[in-house]
Amino acid sequence: SYELTQPPSVSVSPGQTARITCSGDALPKQYAYWYQQKPGQAPVLVIYKDSERPSGIPERFSGSSSGTTVTLTISGVQAEDEADYYCQSADSSGTYPDVFGTGTKVTVL
Amino acid sequence: QVQLQESGPGLVKPSETLSLTCTVSGYSISSGYYWGWIRQPPGKGLEWIGSIYHSGSTYYNPSLKSRVTISVDTSKNQFSLKLSSVTAADTAVYYCARVMGAGWDWGQGTMVTVSS
Repeated sequence: SYELTQPPSVSVSPGQTARITCSGDALPKQYAYWYQQKPGQAPVLVIYKDSERPSGIPERFSGSSSGTTVTLTISGVQAEDEADYYCQSADSSGTYPDVFGTGTKVTVL
Repeated sequence: QVQLQESGPGLVKPSETLSLTCTVSGYSISSGYYWGWIRQPPGKGLEWIGSIYHSGSTYYNPSLKSRVTISVDTSKNQFSLKLSSVTAADTAVYYCARVMGAGWDWGQGTMVTVSS
C-alpha cells in the first residue's frame, strides 16, 4: 500500500507559525492537496496542486514542496485554525490514485 | 455552486450490504469530472473508497475493491455506493465528493453504523 505520513499533532501559540509536513515517495511526481477539518464538519480544501490557494482561503495558508515532503504553513495562527489537517495525493503507479495522509491535529495554545 | 447530499440507511446489520446514494445539484454529472466516496471511522482519519467517471469507468481502493461497487445514474444526477459483507469496522461517516484537479467538493457526510 502507499502511505502519506504526517505528524500526529502540532501545537502553536496564537500569532506564531505552524508547519505541517506530509511525506510520501511519489510526492516529487504527484501534486498534493491539503484539507482542513473541524469537528463534525466535512473537510475543506485549503491548498491544491502543492501551493495554490482556493478563493476564500486566507493568505496565511500556504503550501510548498521539496523532494518527498510537502508542507502546509499557517502563518500568524488564529484560534479558528485549530482543526485536523489532511494531505492528499496519489502513488506513482496508478494503483492508489487517491490517498489521504494520516492527519495532523493542530492545537492553538 | 455544486451541492452534494448523501442519503441511505444509518444502520446496517453485519454481513449485509451498505447502500448509499449521492444526489448532485448545481452541476450535471454527465458534464464531466470523477465522483468519489470517502469514509471516516469515528475518531480516525479519512479513507478513499473509490471513484467513478460519468461514463461509468471506475477505480477503487485496492484494500476494499473486492467488496465495493460504485455506479452512476446520470438521468437522476446521482451516483451510488454499495459495500458488501460489512462488519463493525465499516462503521464510519461516509462522504461523497466531486473530484477535480483543483481539489474536491464534499457533501456533508452521513453516519452509518454496522450493528445487529
